[in-house]
Parts: sequence; C-alpha cells; structure tokens
Amino acid sequence: ETGVTQTPRHLVMGMTNKKSLKCEQHLGHNAMYWYKQSAKKPLELMFVYSLEERVENNSVPSRFSPECPNSSHLFLHLHTLQPEDSALYLCASSQDAGLGDTEAFFGQGTRLTVV
Amino acid sequence: QKEVEQDPGPLSVPEGAIVSLNCTYSNSAFQYFMWYRQYSRKGPELLMYTYSSGNKEDGRFTAQVDKSSKYISLFIRDSQPSDSATYLCAMISPYGQNFVFGPGTRLSVLP
Repeated sequence: ETGVTQTPRHLVMGMTNKKSLKCEQHLGHNAMYWYKQSAKKPLELMFVYSLEERVENNSVPSRFSPECPNSSHLFLHLHTLQPEDSALYLCASSQDAGLGDTEAFFGQGTRLTVV
Repeated sequence: QKEVEQDPGPLSVPEGAIVSLNCTYSNSAFQYFMWYRQYSRKGPELLMYTYSSGNKEDGRFTAQVDKSSKYISLFIRDSQPSDSATYLCAMISPYGQNFVFGPGTRLSVLP
C-alpha cells in the first residue's frame, strides 16, 4: 500500500468515449501530479497541482482535462482520445511541489488502451 | 542534450552479483536525487533518496552521488531474482515544480 490509489487499474475506451481516471492520496501531501508512461520513453509530466491549484501544464492536448477538487483527490478527464494516447497513466503526490527536498510517491497506474 | 541519461539495458546478471546502475545529468543545479523500482505493470516505488554528494546505504542498496561529475549510481549487493525490475533515477528540477526522470534500466537477475 503506497498511500496513493488509482482507479481504474485498466481501461479500454473508444475514440469517441468520455472517461475519467481517479487518484486519491492518504499521505497528507499538498502536491499531486499526473504522468504518462509510454513504452521505451521516460515518464512525461502532464500536470502538477499544488494546494489544489494547477501550477504546471506541459503543453498537454486539451483532450486531457485535469481536476483537483481537494488536496486528496485528482482526476484526469479523457475525451476524444487517439490510439497513441494508449499508455500507463501514473498519479503521484509529494509533500510540497518544487521545494527541492521532497520525494514523490506513485500510485499503481491506470493502463489505458484507446481503440 | 537530454537532462537525464540512463542506459536502458536490458542488464542481465546472475543471482548474488553486485549490480551497478547509473545516471548522468546535465544540470548542475539538481540537488535532490531519487531511485525508483518499477515492476512490470506497476507504479514506480521509491527506493532511496539522497540530498548531497556521497553514499547512502539501506540494506542491500547503496546510492551514490557525485555532483562534480553529475553522476549518480545505485548499487545492489547480493542481487536476487526478485530485484528484476526497471530502475528509474529521478531528480527535482530546480526551475519548475517537476520531477525529471531517466528512461529507466531494465534489470534481470537470473537464478
């Protein structure tokens, strides 16, 4: 149990579907992150939230829409995805963002397949 | 030049061997370094973190940081088949609220 829980673990969706990924952390952290992990590529940061405010968005297509209703929950809303969006989507949290002395803890990820 | 470079492997070693995993980085401003282990179809699991140059030991694992060479290492002693996984190095970007990861090294420890 890492303290960061992601649901669902697996998701298959069509290109016209709308779905959401959920992340919940029980660590009392102030920062939460969405990462994308594709085969043979480094982890790609998608979004950073600190104290429920988005602080970084690495030029992610608008078909990915994050939502952070409180410091414990983070969502990633998906719509009109492309097959190349198939990947492992990882949520992480850390005590604070950007202070240079804090480590990130990851959830187990959601394996997304777009058909 | 990539911010963080890491040999992707795969690296295969016999059980009981000492494993050395390495990363190089280009930005001398990085101060905080982490190693993660990721099993297939699972999220990365934090193994070790270090804040300064030198060695840090935890059981069979030793993390080493050489800031002058911009080089970090993870050593695994008495490697076990259960150590077979992908190992990711990571560091915190000082200019953004962002963790920068290496691509990972895939390790196989053969019984």
